[in-house]
Amino acid sequence: DVKVTQSSRYLVKRTGEKVFLECVQDMDHENMFWYRQDPGLGLRLIYFSYDVKMKEKGDIPEGYSVSREKKERFSLILESASTNQTSMYLCASSRVGFRETQYFGPGTRLLVL
Amino acid sequence: AQKITQTQPGMFVQEKEAVTLDCTYDTSDPSYGLFWYKQPSSGEMIFLIYQGSYDQQNATEGRYSLNFQKARKSANLVISASQLGDSAMYFCAMRPRGNSNYQLIWGAGTKLIIKP
Repeated sequence: DVKVTQSSRYLVKRTGEKVFLECVQDMDHENMFWYRQDPGLGLRLIYFSYDVKMKEKGDIPEGYSVSREKKERFSLILESASTNQTSMYLCASSRVGFRETQYFGPGTRLLVL
Repeated sequence: AQKITQTQPGMFVQEKEAVTLDCTYDTSDPSYGLFWYKQPSSGEMIFLIYQGSYDQQNATEGRYSLNFQKARKSANLVISASQLGDSAMYFCAMRPRGNSNYQLIWGAGTKLIIKP
């Protein structure tokens, strides 16, 4: 079974702090994704990575950066957290291929005070 | 514009009844895939079923089936014999083949509550 893990289930941070969210997958997937989920808005893609050190911006990259130094690990960084970044963050991975599904981690609920 | 619409924000259904969750989509790409995911209150997104735009038959996976009507651009999820454990958020998503980054386009979701 595919396993995607995220470093924290719940996180509370203060405005202005630098926040790291880490995601690890164990199925050698090429693609990894970071989403943000807010009620009524569905999932919105923040960043996508298709290979080590490769990344593409999604729909809402402002205020975020990412790092992929190893194939299995994809980190989301909030350089200076703000209250409007309070949200649920979901990491996903998939194989390359049009029909391939994305496998998700359990999510991190981030509260920025 | 590429878009997924789920018109039912919430639904209450009696246990053991069948459920249909609506999903309509819009894309100009002739080749695309449609996905349904379930998200229980625990938060993890669980893949349920996939339908390709050129698949000859409607997809089925256990109690889940997809009522795919290409001309109407609809891909409704049908859950047969609902169970209490089916209570969750359900999301419809689409991937047009032309999306080079494998991005999924998501609907806003439907909250399904199964009543005992």
